[in-house]
Amino acid sequence: DSGVTQTPKHLITATGQRVTLRCSPRSGDLSVYWYQQSLDQGLQFLIQYYNGEERAKGNILERFSAQQFPDLHSELNLSSLELGDSALYFCASSDINTGELFFGEGSRLTVL
Amino acid sequence: QQQVKQSPQSLIVQKGGISIINCAYENTAFDYFPWYQQFPGKGPALLIAIRPDVSEKKEGRFTISFNKSAKQFSLHIMDSQPGDSATYFCAASNEGGSQGNLIFGKGTKLSVKP
Repeated sequence: DSGVTQTPKHLITATGQRVTLRCSPRSGDLSVYWYQQSLDQGLQFLIQYYNGEERAKGNILERFSAQQFPDLHSELNLSSLELGDSALYFCASSDINTGELFFGEGSRLTVL
Repeated sequence: QQQVKQSPQSLIVQKGGISIINCAYENTAFDYFPWYQQFPGKGPALLIAIRPDVSEKKEGRFTISFNKSAKQFSLHIMDSQPGDSATYFCAASNEGGSQGNLIFGKGTKLSVKP
């Protein structure tokens, strides 16, 4: 158990809809990262938050947004969903001392 | 543009054998090279990592070899065990930016046969 909690584990929705994925980082970790894992694109960095502020952006679509709340949990919002958004979405938090990333077990999104 | 190329895509090794996975990178600004292990239904977990100031790092049965001039690094798993069967990802980042903003390879599915 990495200590990073993600909900929901599975989500099935329709094209055009909007979903929210939630992540609770390990206790004491200030940084949260979101990654997308798909068969064709592999693991891709989406966005990073540090102590409530956006720190870095990767290959995140404009239809996607994220935020980190004062209690350090984070949410990834995916809107106007397309079939190609079907993927595993991972949240990770990084150890404040070592920088090591700890990944959650992911949220599997299926868009029908 | 794929910045980290990983090979092979899949690998079958007999129990007790040596598993070797290779990665090549393009961006010379990368200064942190981790390997992650992922089991089905789980998130990736850090296995071992290296920085370019050393050419080799060993932790138990796992060794990273790093060739800065060739921009290549590899993972060696000695005495491979069936429990090592998983997907392995190499990655790279510019720690000056953020160690956690990783560029991953496409992954290698390792099967260790008993």
